[in-house]
Amino acid sequence: KAGVTQTPRYLIKTRGQQVTLSCSPISGHRSVSWYQQTPGQGLQFLFEYFSETQRNKGNFPGRFSGRQFSNSRSEMNVSTLELGDSALYLCASSSRQGQPQHFGDGTRLSIL
Amino acid sequence: AQSVTQLGSHVSVSEGALVLLRCNYSSSVPPYLFWYVQYPNQGLQLLLKYTSAATLVKGINGFEAEFKKSETSFHLTKPSAHMSDAAEYFCAVSAGGTASKLTFGTGTRLQVTL
Repeated sequence: KAGVTQTPRYLIKTRGQQVTLSCSPISGHRSVSWYQQTPGQGLQFLFEYFSETQRNKGNFPGRFSGRQFSNSRSEMNVSTLELGDSALYLCASSSRQGQPQHFGDGTRLSIL
Repeated sequence: AQSVTQLGSHVSVSEGALVLLRCNYSSSVPPYLFWYVQYPNQGLQLLLKYTSAATLVKGINGFEAEFKKSETSFHLTKPSAHMSDAAEYFCAVSAGGTASKLTFGTGTRLQVTL
């Protein structure tokens, strides 16, 4: 069974731009979560989607948004990029409530 | 609300020695607890999970952890370290009944020396 796939693996943007990251969950998994990993703040929860609905949200500004499609694939969008948005963005999927999350290899976003 | 404290940002052991990585949690509800490992330029790989069943949990690659409610701890151990165990390890907690919205510790980098 294929794992969680995130595209692209690396991305370079400049301040003020916007970016969209993509995540394809493990087949059959309906829950998709996003996390930001930085050296300073560590791993922080962004949001979770289940059946195209946002189920949980972390403490990030409204510039960070996401969505989930009917095939469970998810996208995360960050608008008006700031230098501090440079991070590894990790996507995770799980099959149902209470089951552990399985992570992709992440998208490394660098802001110049 | 949940939180996790990992004691020791860096741990160094000799190959063949015991590995002990410490994790203490705080949770207002019965928690689910997890250990993940991260190798360079990769995502997180699940090592093991505690979801209110057996308190001694066995995971992959010879790792195990024991849930101790009285000590609010979930320490990760491995009897004999291998060079391939060198990586960063994260303890995480979620509200019991759900494994979503994980709160992670700051991580412990394990170094294995010859």
